[in-house]
Amino acid sequence: RKEVEQDPGPFNVPEGATVAFNCTYSNSASQSFFWYRQDCRKEPKLLMSVYSSGNEDGRFTAQLNRASQYISLLIRDSKLSDSATYLCVVIPRAAGNKLTFGGGTRVLVKP
Amino acid sequence: EPEVTQTPSHQVTQMGQEVILRCVPISNHLYFYWYRQILGQKVEFLVSFYNNEISEKSEIFDDQFSVERPDGSNFTLKIRSTKLEDSAMYFCASIPHGDSYEQYFGPGTRLTVT
Repeated sequence: RKEVEQDPGPFNVPEGATVAFNCTYSNSASQSFFWYRQDCRKEPKLLMSVYSSGNEDGRFTAQLNRASQYISLLIRDSKLSDSATYLCVVIPRAAGNKLTFGGGTRVLVKP
Repeated sequence: EPEVTQTPSHQVTQMGQEVILRCVPISNHLYFYWYRQILGQKVEFLVSFYNNEISEKSEIFDDQFSVERPDGSNFTLKIRSTKLEDSAMYFCASIPHGDSYEQYFGPGTRLTVT
């Protein structure tokens, strides 16, 4: 089983719509969770951390479900500029901040 | 805003040749990382480096790879004898201290082995 699994997509989203997708992780001892954004052939950039209580940053909402070992990302009022690949990232416990990436979920926002 | 820089942006080399990929982390950062991403695949951890030594390395980071911080600013990844399967984007990242969770990535070096 892969350490971090994501639906590769693409999710085709009309501008202004809401899109949500999940990521599952296999290591129950994982301690830190993040969503990164990656544009084509560019470096990953931190979008937001994911906290146990769930957290929101503008139009983006992240949730963590430790019992089922998944995290989710919801994007409201999608903008054309939200088109990117969203990477689920996990830091296993005592991993020295080594990031474990999922394969990414591609989102395409269309007018 | 400080940023991680990497050179070259694109390196083409022949199989069996040695390459050195260079990174300049953010100046007050203490922990450094190399990741790679084969085209169409996920980003994979290669190695972490702190206090002038390797903290952790992945299975990918075999004897053909080495890292070095030759001076106070550069952080290099050397691939001794490149293989076709080494073709990938190589990203350098850094963090200021061990409690930091946001890794700052450089723009990457695209390595093409022919």
